[in-house]
Amino acid sequence: QQPVQSPQAVILREGEDAVINCSSSKALYSVHWYRQKHGEAPVFLMILLKGGEQKGHEKISASFNEKKQQSSLYLTASQLSYSGTYFCGTEIPPGNTGKLIFGQGTTLQVKP
Amino acid sequence: EADIYQTPRYLVIGTGKKITLECSQTMGHDKMYWYQQDPGMELHLIHYSYGVNSTEKGDLSSESTVSRIRTEHFPLTLESARPSHTSQYLCATRLINEQFFGPGTRLTVL
Repeated sequence: QQPVQSPQAVILREGEDAVINCSSSKALYSVHWYRQKHGEAPVFLMILLKGGEQKGHEKISASFNEKKQQSSLYLTASQLSYSGTYFCGTEIPPGNTGKLIFGQGTTLQVKP
Repeated sequence: EADIYQTPRYLVIGTGKKITLECSQTMGHDKMYWYQQDPGMELHLIHYSYGVNSTEKGDLSSESTVSRIRTEHFPLTLESARPSHTSQYLCATRLINEQFFGPGTRLTVL
């Protein structure tokens, strides 16, 4: 039931781009993205609802492909402040149940 | 801005002790959650509540229990702490589609 994220870790230089994927074996109603910086609590980035829409937050955007049951997070022209662990979350069972199950996380390190 | 408070922030305790981790919020959100997270690892949902007198177990089996007598409070209790309970415990609330996390309690059981 837990969504699967890939890759597990990414190391970038400032200004480079990255893609983090989140896939599920179950039908998805929505995909939530959170970022957790070291030693801090996770912070909400965005939610993607079924329909393949794209959302943006600063230079971070995401897409949701309902048919493929996956979402991708795009980090463009990465900044040092983007470093942290990114988690996707899906609602189990599908729907606005409020019960969010997170993937295992993708650690992103941006170097100068 | 969400206001979620967790106490204590750090707790070191011996095996067999009973402990209660406090979580309180001032926003009046009905939905509240407890997650367990080892350093650098994933977030595991252990308990959730949709309102007063509503509690459910999450996906990760936990020996802890919770109560929700008041909207603002969602305490988590371990009757007999063990070293395997050593972890970080994060409390969260939810409003519509966004979850707000508290600062967490880092528990160490010796």
